[in-house]
Amino acid sequence: DAGVTQSPTHLIKTRGQHVTLRCSPISGHKSVSWYQQVLGQGPQFIFQYYEKEERGRGNFPDRFSARQFPNYSSELNVNALLLGDSALYLCASSLVGRSTDTQYFGPGTRLTVL
Amino acid sequence: QQQVKQSPQSLIVQKGGISIINCAYENTAFDYFPWYQQFPGKGPALLIAIRPDVSEKKEGRFTISFNKSAKQFSLHIMDSQPGDSATYFCAATDINFGNEKLTFGTGTRLTIIP
Repeated sequence: DAGVTQSPTHLIKTRGQHVTLRCSPISGHKSVSWYQQVLGQGPQFIFQYYEKEERGRGNFPDRFSARQFPNYSSELNVNALLLGDSALYLCASSLVGRSTDTQYFGPGTRLTVL
Repeated sequence: QQQVKQSPQSLIVQKGGISIINCAYENTAFDYFPWYQQFPGKGPALLIAIRPDVSEKKEGRFTISFNKSAKQFSLHIMDSQPGDSATYFCAATDINFGNEKLTFGTGTRLTIIP
């Protein structure tokens, strides 16, 4: 069975640009969460979406937005990129998004902002 | 805002030894505590998890010990093997959030030497 997939694997952007990251959850999973992992740190929660509705938002600026599509895949958008946005962006899926559901993480998208 | 403190930052253990990683939390509303294992180039994978109504949970060579009054929990890896070399993250979530936001510790890089 395919796990969580993310694209692209790596991405290099310059300051001020916009980026879109994509995530496909495990088949049957309806919840998708996004995390930012800065080098040497633990992942930080950005968003959770369940059934196309935002269920949770972390402490990130409005430059970060996301959406979930009818097939439960998701996009994370970041506008006006800053150097500090350089990180590994992880997507996780779970069955119904309850706090005790196991979250399965994808391999991440490595974003470098120059 | 660091709500889950993890130590040590790095740990070197001989093969066959016991690896111990400690975490402490501040938010008394946390009530689900998973541990994740992350290999280079991969997303975190759930290793074992505990609810605060039990003081210990064991799965194979991995054991979580939980001290609710001290707001501390730890991961013990018995008979550590070179394949256990990875970065380990403790995490916590609060079912009252209404979502599956995970608050991660800063990680422990574990190296098992022959």
